[in-house]
Amino acid sequence: NAGVTQTPKFRVLKTGQSMTLLCAQDMNHEYMYWYRQDPGMGLRLIHYSVGEGTTAKGEVPDGYNVSRLKKQNFLLGLESAAPSQTSVYFCASSYGLGNEQFFGPGTRLTVL
Amino acid sequence: AQRVTQPEKLLSVFKGAPVELKCNYSYSGSPELFWYVQYSRQRLQLLLRHISRESIKGFTADLNKGETSFHLKKPFAQEEDSAMYYCALSGFRWGNQGGKLIFGQGTELSVKP
Repeated sequence: NAGVTQTPKFRVLKTGQSMTLLCAQDMNHEYMYWYRQDPGMGLRLIHYSVGEGTTAKGEVPDGYNVSRLKKQNFLLGLESAAPSQTSVYFCASSYGLGNEQFFGPGTRLTVL
Repeated sequence: AQRVTQPEKLLSVFKGAPVELKCNYSYSGSPELFWYVQYSRQRLQLLLRHISRESIKGFTADLNKGETSFHLKKPFAQEEDSAMYYCALSGFRWGNQGGKLIFGQGTELSVKP
């Protein structure tokens, strides 16, 4: 099992460009999450999903959109990137409430 | 509001010394607390959770509801323990949509030889 995978691993964008980050998990988990990690801020939840076809806002959703068309995939989109979105993005998944979250390796995004 | 506070950004100790990484939380209900660890250039992984009462890699953590703390301890630090440690809170098991985690700011542990 690959666990949780993320593509791409690195990306540099110019302000105003758009992109999509892909998260995939092969553990048949219902719940999936997108976090951003910034120095001194810990991890902050952007959006999450409790099942295929569902999404919900987390702590810092502005400027991001998500989709969960397939159970195994969770996409994070930036429609118009801003320098404030420079961060490391982590995807995670879990089986259910209170269960361990399994994390992907992260995507390092720089917006110039 | 739920909040997790890790007061130390950096904790530096010598090999063999005791380690205590502090974690305080703010939550009115029954919390579930976790410690996640991120070794250099690796993904976050669960170290331990309070309900399992396990000792993982020599680390233990006890939930103190009176002091609203969940400090991580190890009696003798090893160089391979050097990593970033995150305390996380998951509140209200039966009402928390999606089992969301609230993370602290993280503490970088550096164990020197």
